[in-house]
Amino acid sequence: ETGVTQTPRHLVMGMTNKKSLKCEQHLGHNAMYWYKQSAKKPLELMFVYSLEERVENNSVPSRFSPECPNSSHLFLHLHTLQPEDSALYLCASSQDPGLADYTDTQYFGPGTRLTVL
Amino acid sequence: DAKTTQPNSMESNEEEPVHLPCNHSTISGTDYIHWYRQLPSQGPEYVIHGLTSNVNNRMASLAIAEDRKSSTLILHRATLRDAAVYYCILRGPISSGSARQLTFGSGTQLTVLP
Repeated sequence: ETGVTQTPRHLVMGMTNKKSLKCEQHLGHNAMYWYKQSAKKPLELMFVYSLEERVENNSVPSRFSPECPNSSHLFLHLHTLQPEDSALYLCASSQDPGLADYTDTQYFGPGTRLTVL
Repeated sequence: DAKTTQPNSMESNEEEPVHLPCNHSTISGTDYIHWYRQLPSQGPEYVIHGLTSNVNNRMASLAIAEDRKSSTLILHRATLRDAAVYYCILRGPISSGSARQLTFGSGTQLTVLP
């Protein structure tokens, strides 16, 4: 139990559906992250939020839309996805190293396994 | 970004020490060396990190070469629960904000044999 929870754990959706992934952290952190892990590929950073403001967006297609309503919650809204978007989506949190003079540790949730049909 | 090189896979016997190597010949003077691991069906978890000196914690030890171009993660007594993919990651300068980036490579798949 890392203090970062993700729901749902598994999701199957059609290409025309709209769904949302939810992440919640109970660690008092001020930064949250979305990563994508496709089969046979390394984890890829998608988005970074610090103090509820998006600070990094790594060229992610617009069919992925993040939302951070407060420092404890992070959402990833999905619409008109493609089969190649099937992957494990991981959320993480940390104390933002950009605001403090130390190197942080990122704490990951268990991920949401997404299948797009 | 400086990159790391790790063996694709390693095997160890249960209750024996494991030395997981990582090469990072282009490391900069301000890069921290981080290790994470990912157990099956879980997200990655932090193991240890260091800058120049060797480091120990309850999970593992990190031995850093004097020239910092390589490092070794040491599990002192491997258990079956240590079977995972181990990632060696360099973190950029804190002040630049690029330290937010955790750039994962392919890692080393550790198999622990009973």
